[in-house]
Amino acid sequence: DAKTTQPTSMDCAEGRAANLPCNHSTISGNEYVYWYRQIHSQGPQYIIHGLKNNETNEMASLIITEDRKSSTLILPHATLRDTAVYYCIVKDNAGNMLTFGGGTRLMVKP
Amino acid sequence: EAGVVQSPRYKIIEKKQPVAFWCNPISGHNTLYWYRQNLGQGPELLIRYENEEAVDDSQLPKDRFSAERLKGVDSTLKIQPAELGDSAVYLCASSQRGSGNTIYFGEGSWLTVV
Repeated sequence: DAKTTQPTSMDCAEGRAANLPCNHSTISGNEYVYWYRQIHSQGPQYIIHGLKNNETNEMASLIITEDRKSSTLILPHATLRDTAVYYCIVKDNAGNMLTFGGGTRLMVKP
Repeated sequence: EAGVVQSPRYKIIEKKQPVAFWCNPISGHNTLYWYRQNLGQGPELLIRYENEEAVDDSQLPKDRFSAERLKGVDSTLKIQPAELGDSAVYLCASSQRGSGNTIYFGEGSWLTVV
């Protein structure tokens, strides 16, 4: 599976949009971009995934560039409870494991 | 629908003692994973089951770790004897082929070896 690069940490003001970037320049055509987050003392929580089209669900939006070499996870109105480590992972949808990197530690501040 | 259930949530043991963790995956999920997460790091795969068969256990330290998934549903992960370096969070996860293969995690079992 392709490797991803994320900033180590980010801050966001409560109520504002949080935009978390991810680079995956070596992604192959059949690999999806998955996002998980991990709130302190909890297991990783699935957020969203996509192949090439932008995706939106009740938690977040995922914007994937046309060349698929990078993506952005958007939390439209961040709350204090969104403070967590966010992991961007690239995986073949037939693949059977997730390889986690270091993730981005998002701190939402009042 | 219930998520992945793990127990115990927290465990403190002395080194050289045995410990076991239990996992009940989401109903109908045939793939089950055990991950280990050290403090400040991302989770790392220990073992993956397809039904009752361990299909990837290359990262499982087999001298002291063992796992089983009898009947292809619940699973247990055992450490015997535990060492100080085994202190970590042990995460169980499951997925189902045909549903996008999205992997869902439990809350984890926090192990402290003293």
